[in-house]
Amino acid sequence: AQKVTQAQTEISVVEKEDVTLDCVYETRDTTYYLFWYKQPPSGELVFLIRRNSFDEQNEISGRYSWNFQKSTSSFNFTITASQVVDSAVYFCALSEDPGGFKTIFGAGTRLFVKA
Amino acid sequence: GAVVSQHPSRVICKSGTSVKIECRSLDFQATTMFWYRQFPKQSLMLMATSNEGSKATYEQGVEKDKFLINHASLTLSTLTVTSAHPEDSSFYICSARRAGRTSTDTQYFGPGTRLTVL
Repeated sequence: AQKVTQAQTEISVVEKEDVTLDCVYETRDTTYYLFWYKQPPSGELVFLIRRNSFDEQNEISGRYSWNFQKSTSSFNFTITASQVVDSAVYFCALSEDPGGFKTIFGAGTRLFVKA
Repeated sequence: GAVVSQHPSRVICKSGTSVKIECRSLDFQATTMFWYRQFPKQSLMLMATSNEGSKATYEQGVEKDKFLINHASLTLSTLTVTSAHPEDSSFYICSARRAGRTSTDTQYFGPGTRLTVL
């Protein structure tokens, strides 16, 4: 069965600190897709990244970076120099296809960034 | 970009009434739409997959007679919560998958509908 675990329920940091959000997944599929979404207080999900199982290259986008390691079934997300606007709930998700069929979401990590 | 809207954004209804939530893809066609449910401070749970022109596929544990889904066109799916009860109060989120695209596309999420049943 597929499963996504985000062990960190809440994280609180001070602005400009770096923070890493952990995500561990389980799947029997050889082809799968991993996602990160941001959900600000407004509730609307914001897509951050999608990674397929064959691409283990780490990715950096501005202050965001992602570390995908199949050996440990992890897909961790790091925010560098955090800002108050980064405060939100972040979800890691797993799907069997890029379009989102049967997407399973982790429980989410609530990030508080204090000024 | 791909925009998905939901209407209404918030709804309050009395117990026993039915509520319809619309999900529209505004600038693309979506043969497939997904409906999720999110309880306060919890994760999103996939309720059903809505396919244009055919019956929805419900996830285990989701009552199809309780949550009626209709996907009548390539841009609209509706979720009707029938005979709503307070335990149905939740945040309902839809997403749409662009038609005709495969490996490079993803699902686009709507802004969500907050349902409160009194």
